[in-house]
Amino acid sequence: NAGVMQNPRHLVRRRGQEARLRCSPMKGHSHVYWYRQLPEEGLKFMVYLQKENIIDESGMPKERFSAEFPKEGPSILRIQQVVRGDSAAYFCASSQPLPASRMSYTFGSGTRLTVV
Amino acid sequence: AQSVTQLDSHVSVSEGTPVLLRCNYSSSYSPSLFWYVQHPNKGLQLLLKYTSAATLVKGINGFEAEFKKSETSFHLTKPSAHMSDAAEYFCVVTLPRANTDKLIFGTGTRLQVFP
Repeated sequence: NAGVMQNPRHLVRRRGQEARLRCSPMKGHSHVYWYRQLPEEGLKFMVYLQKENIIDESGMPKERFSAEFPKEGPSILRIQQVVRGDSAAYFCASSQPLPASRMSYTFGSGTRLTVV
Repeated sequence: AQSVTQLDSHVSVSEGTPVLLRCNYSSSYSPSLFWYVQHPNKGLQLLLKYTSAATLVKGINGFEAEFKKSETSFHLTKPSAHMSDAAEYFCVVTLPRANTDKLIFGTGTRLQVFP
């Protein structure tokens, strides 16, 4: 069981470029959560997805950020026209369908985005 | 709305002495509470979780936490610190709702362990 896989581990982008962050959930997990950790801060919820469905995107910035979890393949967090303030660690977590395993999240190792 | 407050941003202890990391929560309903640990440039590892069963929760690596409803606290303790315990610790709350279980993180406590 490979756990939650995030790639790349480190990503450097110039201002104005696009960043694509990938998350493959644990085997058997169909729910994915994205969190952002700014330097010296805790993690902040961004979005919660099931396959082909966004359940809760209340933590997503209104512009430039989007997320998807297609029927096949990993979940993608996409940041268009990146700015320096987007530099952060982005973590993905997965879980089994509610309510059978409400309290069982597994986190990936994160993608550290640096905007130069 | 639920939230957590970690009362200390930094805690320093000597190896072999007890560890206490404090956390208070705010929730309108019965919360579920977690402690996660993050080592430098690593992901998050679950230490322990409280989900309305026993109020004293034992976790990995000798850590435990006690849920005290009267004090709205969920402090993390360990009898004897080890050098490898040096890391960032996050207290986390969630309130199961019909369609989302998003986690609410505290701001973290950085634990330093001196020889």
